[in-house]
Amino acid sequence: AQTVTQSQPEMSVQEAETVTLSCTYDTSESDYYLFWYKQPPSRQMILVIRQEAYKQQNATENRFSVNFQKAAKSFSLKISDSQLGDAAMYFCASLGSGGGADGLTFGKGTHLIIQP
Amino acid sequence: DTGVSQDPRHKITKRGQNVTFRCDPISEHNRLYWYRQTLGQGPEFLTYFQNEAQLEKSRLLSDRFSAERPKGSFSTLEIQRTEQGDSAMYLCASSSEDRLNTEAFFGQGTRLTVV
Repeated sequence: AQTVTQSQPEMSVQEAETVTLSCTYDTSESDYYLFWYKQPPSRQMILVIRQEAYKQQNATENRFSVNFQKAAKSFSLKISDSQLGDAAMYFCASLGSGGGADGLTFGKGTHLIIQP
Repeated sequence: DTGVSQDPRHKITKRGQNVTFRCDPISEHNRLYWYRQTLGQGPEFLTYFQNEAQLEKSRLLSDRFSAERPKGSFSTLEIQRTEQGDSAMYLCASSSEDRLNTEAFFGQGTRLTVV
């Protein structure tokens, strides 16, 4: 079984500033994937960034990067140069390596507000 | 292919009625998932199909819920004798089986309101 915890229900950041969203997880698997998904209001969930647990290098996608601390089971998302379009719910999620049969396990989400 | 599509987008039903939702995944994806998302929560896994086979069901999926994926293409999720507690967003997602590409693509969801 996997659990994902997001301890920040809401975060606010000024436009162009940097913000970090926290996520911790627990899993008994040795191989797994971690994801951050973005869910804008009334729109579908889209993938922001993913990390394979066996890779030590932190994933980056343009303004988005993660800080993956495997021993601490921590997977935070850093958004640099925040833009108004970044405003959304952000979900941290994990996926086991067992063929994906159990689907993604999501945290409760962090509501990100961008102040103009 | 325009992505994962779900129909209807919204459904209001009276308690005790049956409802059916449809999901059309990305055509080359053989994996299909249903999730339920209630207000203020992350999505929770309901069930998983690989092609036409339903390989996994969550304990959340009571016997009032049934899902099918005939011919391994579109999928339907039916809820019988709806209850107010069934009110939620029902999300469908699809992905390919390639281990190197495990990204799940989500539909916009069907928002169910049981009155």
